[in-house]
Amino acid sequence: DAKTTQPPSMDCAEGRAANLPCNHSTISGNEYVYWYRQIHSQGPQYIIHGLKNNETNEMASLIITEDRKSSTLILPHATLRDTAVYYCIVRPSKAAGNKLTFGGGTRVLVKP
Amino acid sequence: DAGVTQSPTHLIKTRGQQVTLRCSPKSGHDTVSWYQQALGQGPQFIFQYYEEEERQRGNFPDRFSGHQFPNYSSELNVNALLLGDSALYLCASSLLQEGDTQYFGPGTRLTVL
Repeated sequence: DAKTTQPPSMDCAEGRAANLPCNHSTISGNEYVYWYRQIHSQGPQYIIHGLKNNETNEMASLIITEDRKSSTLILPHATLRDTAVYYCIVRPSKAAGNKLTFGGGTRVLVKP
Repeated sequence: DAGVTQSPTHLIKTRGQQVTLRCSPKSGHDTVSWYQQALGQGPQFIFQYYEEEERQRGNFPDRFSGHQFPNYSSELNVNALLLGDSALYLCASSLLQEGDTQYFGPGTRLTVL
């Protein structure tokens, strides 16, 4: 599975957009980019995923560069409850071998 | 629609003992994966079950074993507990298909004394 690189931590202001970068320069053509977040001591929460196109849901937007070597998760209006560790994960699209390989993630602190 | 549930929430054991953790998948899901998360680290994949068989396994010793039942629920068993087995154990369920998404339960916090 392709390795991902994320900044270890970042702060953002409540009410502002939070842009979380992820580098995955060795991604293969059949690999998805997944984002999860984990609020302290809870199970990881699925946010969004994409293959090639940008994606948006009720939680966030995912912007994937044209060469697919990096992506950005956008939380449009950060709230204090968005404080969490955010994980960017790359995994194959095929049904077999679909384990998730977590890295260190980005610890996001939303400040009032 | 109930999500993934796990039991118990917390558990305290002593070294050498055995433990069984339980997971019920999200409705409609047929695959269960287990992860171990040590304090301050990201979750690490233990193994995955589908059709009552272990499909994939991470780098964990044979002391870690599992089972999946016909109703898709699953158990994780750990024998001969070590202090280093203290962790949050997470269960995730999914529907085995291309591009499937895993949804996690709240986890079981295991403390080994």
